[in-house]
Amino acid sequence: AQSVSQHNHHVILSEAASLELGCNYSYGGTVNLFWYVQYPGQHLQLLLKYFSGDPLVKGIKGFEAEFIKSKFSFNLRKPSVQWSDTAEYFCAVNLYGGATNKLIFGTGTLLAVQP
Amino acid sequence: DVKVTQSSRYLVKRTGEKVFLECVQDMDHENMFWYRQDPGLGLRLIYFSYDVKMKEKGDIPEGYSVSREKKERFSLILESASTNQTSMYLCASSSRTSGDTQYFGPGTRLTVL
Repeated sequence: AQSVSQHNHHVILSEAASLELGCNYSYGGTVNLFWYVQYPGQHLQLLLKYFSGDPLVKGIKGFEAEFIKSKFSFNLRKPSVQWSDTAEYFCAVNLYGGATNKLIFGTGTLLAVQP
Repeated sequence: DVKVTQSSRYLVKRTGEKVFLECVQDMDHENMFWYRQDPGLGLRLIYFSYDVKMKEKGDIPEGYSVSREKKERFSLILESASTNQTSMYLCASSSRTSGDTQYFGPGTRLTVL
């Protein structure tokens, strides 16, 4: 069965530190990849997504992610985090061509940024 | 602006009660989804619907049912609530275009006593 792994469950950083959150998926076919973010008390929202083309994808608030097909990975990065980046981050995979657009989510990474 | 609304932010029910969670989207999306979110488990799909009156089981459908009588509305029903159904419930919608973004509602935090 397809699955998504997020290896970092809880990350604590100081402001201005660099961030990299890992995401790996298990599926041999073509996929669409997503990162969603949930700020405290807010609803889940899209951070960025990859469908095709340039494997380096830029999202909102200075986030980016790189799709490495050979490693089945889609890691999220930000060069310098801010206190306002404190949130829970979810990686998700959608199997390409599926009209139902089902997403398979990872278990999430809680990021706490200390001022 | 895209909007998915859920009928309640917080709900407290007793064991054995029948519980209805309502979700409405205003984007004319064909697909709608119900998830539950639990700490350390991420989001798990309960049911989804790809058209009016159509539904399919997700990964954890046991103890739940759904109803989609109108395109914009998708209801989750707990036939007889149990304490292990205490959770955050999230509704989402998307178009039928492959890989389209799912848009989420604010969630309903359900506590079953």
